[in-house]
Amino acid sequence: DQQVKQNSPSLSVQEGRISILNCDYTNSMFDYFLWYKKYPAEGPTFLISISSIKDKNEDGRFTVFLNKSAKHLSLHIVPSQPGDSAVYFCAASATTSGTYKYIFGTGTRLKVLA
Amino acid sequence: DTAVSQTPKYLVTQMGNDKSIKCEQNLGHDTMYWYKQDSKKFLKIMFSYNNKELIINETVPNRFSPKSPDKAHLNLHINSLELGDSAVYFCASSQAHQGWETQYFGPGTRLLVL
Repeated sequence: DQQVKQNSPSLSVQEGRISILNCDYTNSMFDYFLWYKKYPAEGPTFLISISSIKDKNEDGRFTVFLNKSAKHLSLHIVPSQPGDSAVYFCAASATTSGTYKYIFGTGTRLKVLA
Repeated sequence: DTAVSQTPKYLVTQMGNDKSIKCEQNLGHDTMYWYKQDSKKFLKIMFSYNNKELIINETVPNRFSPKSPDKAHLNLHINSLELGDSAVYFCASSQAHQGWETQYFGPGTRLLVL
């Protein structure tokens, strides 16, 4: 039972344009969401997060939007750069559950074309 | 000065063997984790330890035994390796055991069981 879904396994975008990566979740207990970025042969690295009390969080070129009613979040990268080419994982946790574990999606491979 | 390190990076072994993967973090964090990323790219938590105490133990076969000699180390021992154990194993750490804590990942250990 996949509680966090990233339905697009891959995405290609031209350099300078916007990249939009999507993530859906099913568990209404999730109240904290994160995006991680992963390069080949490396571990995931934290990118940006958002709490369910917000609907937007911005950090430089990266913005995460949360739509609680739709159980959907998205990561916007503007402008996209070739160095952004990586696999992006969405993760969710239920901070009041007591178990404090991340549930990860299967990732979206982003390719930014120069 | 790698924050979370794992050894070995690659491990090729025969079915039925016993092997260990070591993890060390120099971030001064209290909590450490083991994740498994299988061939379908699911990144799934296996265990977490907080101050050397086991907190999360997902439905992992008891052939897998984590050991935390101190807060900075979390090793994973696997007995009687099976073909299905082939995966990438990631160690991670966080400041505390909370659902909103950023987790820092090691580079991964690629295990191939023949």
